[in-house]
Amino acid sequence: KAGVTQTPRYLIKTRGQQVTLSCSPISGHRSVSWYQQTPGQGLQFLFEYFSETQRNKGNFPGRFSGRQFSNSRSEMNVSTLELGDSALYLCASSLAGTGGDTGELFFGEGSRLTVL
Amino acid sequence: AQSVTQLDSQVPVFEEAPVELRCNYSSSVSVYLFWYVQYPNQGLQLLLKYLSGSTLVESINGFEAEFNKSQTSFHLRKPSVHISDTAEYFCAVRAPGRRALTFGSGTRLQVQP
Repeated sequence: KAGVTQTPRYLIKTRGQQVTLSCSPISGHRSVSWYQQTPGQGLQFLFEYFSETQRNKGNFPGRFSGRQFSNSRSEMNVSTLELGDSALYLCASSLAGTGGDTGELFFGEGSRLTVL
Repeated sequence: AQSVTQLDSQVPVFEEAPVELRCNYSSSVSVYLFWYVQYPNQGLQLLLKYLSGSTLVESINGFEAEFNKSQTSFHLRKPSVHISDTAEYFCAVRAPGRRALTFGSGTRLQVQP
């Protein structure tokens, strides 16, 4: 079956602009998580959505937001972009619901954002 | 809160030699432990995981890791590496009931012919 699909794969923006990234989870997966990967900070958790509700949130400013749709697809948005937002943004989906604690996370290939 | 320390940022090794990638963690609660691998320009792939039970876990491609609770470690080992194992390896932990993974800083394994 198809894996986690992230679009776009690459994009370039300038400071002050905003960006929206999209993630389509594996069919049947209801949990979607987002991570930011940078050379300096490594992999950091942004937030996780399940059944259109944000369940967990990492330590990022309010410029970072997300949402999940009824078909489990998710988007994340970054407003007022800063140079430091340049990163690989990874989406991961999971089959596990509130009781499924052994759910493996399946990662997409990421969206590489460059802020100039 | 949890934290993960990967002691080596880079590990060069010759093909067919054994390798160990070290991972230590800190947590006030019991955690699940994972190793992920990332090839260039790709996302993360789960290599193996420890949830409970036997402390030695194995992957299908020859890697194994052993959970050591007293030393709070989860080192990754392979007895004989291949060129194709060249990649970045991340150790991660997750508290039961939570979805967020806490990652280490990664170890770049460079297998030389």
